[in-house]
Amino acid sequence: EAGVAQSPRYKIIEKRQSVAFWCNPISGHATLYWYQQILGQGPKLLIQFQNNGVVDDSQLPKDRFSAERLKGVDSTLKIQPAKLEDSAVYLCASSTPGPSVYEQYFGPGTRLTVT
Amino acid sequence: LAKTTQPISMDSYEGQEVNITCSHNNIATNDYITWYQQFPSQGPRFIIQGYKTKVTNEVASLFIPADRKSSTLSLPRVSLSDTAVYYCLSRQLTFGSGTQLTVLP
Repeated sequence: EAGVAQSPRYKIIEKRQSVAFWCNPISGHATLYWYQQILGQGPKLLIQFQNNGVVDDSQLPKDRFSAERLKGVDSTLKIQPAKLEDSAVYLCASSTPGPSVYEQYFGPGTRLTVT
Repeated sequence: LAKTTQPISMDSYEGQEVNITCSHNNIATNDYITWYQQFPSQGPRFIIQGYKTKVTNEVASLFIPADRKSSTLSLPRVSLSDTAVYYCLSRQLTFGSGTQLTVLP
């Protein structure tokens, strides 16, 4: 089966610019996650969607980050305006309810560099 | 907030069995223990998950004692390609800093 797709793979922007990342989850996966992974650290959950509704966005910096999942399939994460500390890899993951409810499938990530 | 503690790094040699222990003293009753593997420039990959006792799949085994305050991921006969960061999660969406496993020839 096709995996989680993300684009772009790399992005370099200047601070105060805006940027958007796109994710297409595995077909049929109702749950979609966005993580931020700073170099040398584990991924940190930013937002979790169940279909097109938000389940958890408690760690999303809502003053500059936004995410949507229209139609309950693909999703977009936006940063506006970007700060230097937003330099990280942004990972998208998806999962489906079942016995292994915590088995998430991750995409390759988008590496963001803010200069 | 449930937190896990793992060694920062471990070295092993090809063909050896590797055991990585994770401490999760505050695990909740309904939380599972999940392990992921991450290679450079890739997203984490699910390895194994368990609730109690022992779970085994084609890749690894997971040992969980009765008190569930710790767990041990066991990788049999590691190869160079097992060099990666291994994450233990006791709360489903909370990753710690992981263990960098380096397999030496």
